[in-house]
Amino acid sequence: GNSVTQMEGPVTLSEEAFLTINCTYTATGYPSLFWYVQYPGEGLQLLLKATKADDKGSNKGFEATYRKETTSFHLEKGSVQVSDSAVYFCALSDRGSNFGNEKLTFGTGTRLTIIP
Amino acid sequence: NAGVTQTPKFRILKIGQSMTLQCTQDMNHNYMYWYRQDPGMGLKLIYYSVGAGITDKGEVPNGYNVSRSTTEDFPLRLELAAPSQTSVYFCASSYPLGWGTYNEQFFGPGTRLTVL
Repeated sequence: GNSVTQMEGPVTLSEEAFLTINCTYTATGYPSLFWYVQYPGEGLQLLLKATKADDKGSNKGFEATYRKETTSFHLEKGSVQVSDSAVYFCALSDRGSNFGNEKLTFGTGTRLTIIP
Repeated sequence: NAGVTQTPKFRILKIGQSMTLQCTQDMNHNYMYWYRQDPGMGLKLIYYSVGAGITDKGEVPNGYNVSRSTTEDFPLRLELAAPSQTSVYFCASSYPLGWGTYNEQFFGPGTRLTVL
């Protein structure tokens, strides 16, 4: 079946540091890949996505490239801010359903704390 | 738009009690989902629905029931609460673009449930 493996946290960085959160996946077919972010006390919200190999998703200074050859979708940001402190989830979609329903498989989440 | 709303925010149950977690969305989304998030784990899909009157089991449906009588509402029922159901529950909704394509899932703020 499908699975997502994420870098274990927690991750603590200083403001303006470079961020990488690793994500690798196992899937049949051609999944779409996502990064969701969960700020304290809130639900998850989509950060970025990529729907095919070599696509790059980007949003709010974050980027991730869909690498089919390495089955990876690592999240990066060049200069993090205190406001980026949150839990980040890598996820993939299952395109095999009869309804076309995109069920998501999530990684375990990585807690990121940015220190001023 | 309020998006996806969930009630209650917090609840403590005794073993064997029952309760209903409410979820409502005002985006006219066809698809709705219930997830649970255990500490240090990713989100697991409990049930989902592709439209009013249609529901299906996800990865971890045991101990739960759902119904979908309207497009807006997707309540989750716990009949005989057990400590293993202590978790944070998220409701989500999406509007599919079509088979094999994807549109993002919108999450509610979650319900934190403790069973003692």
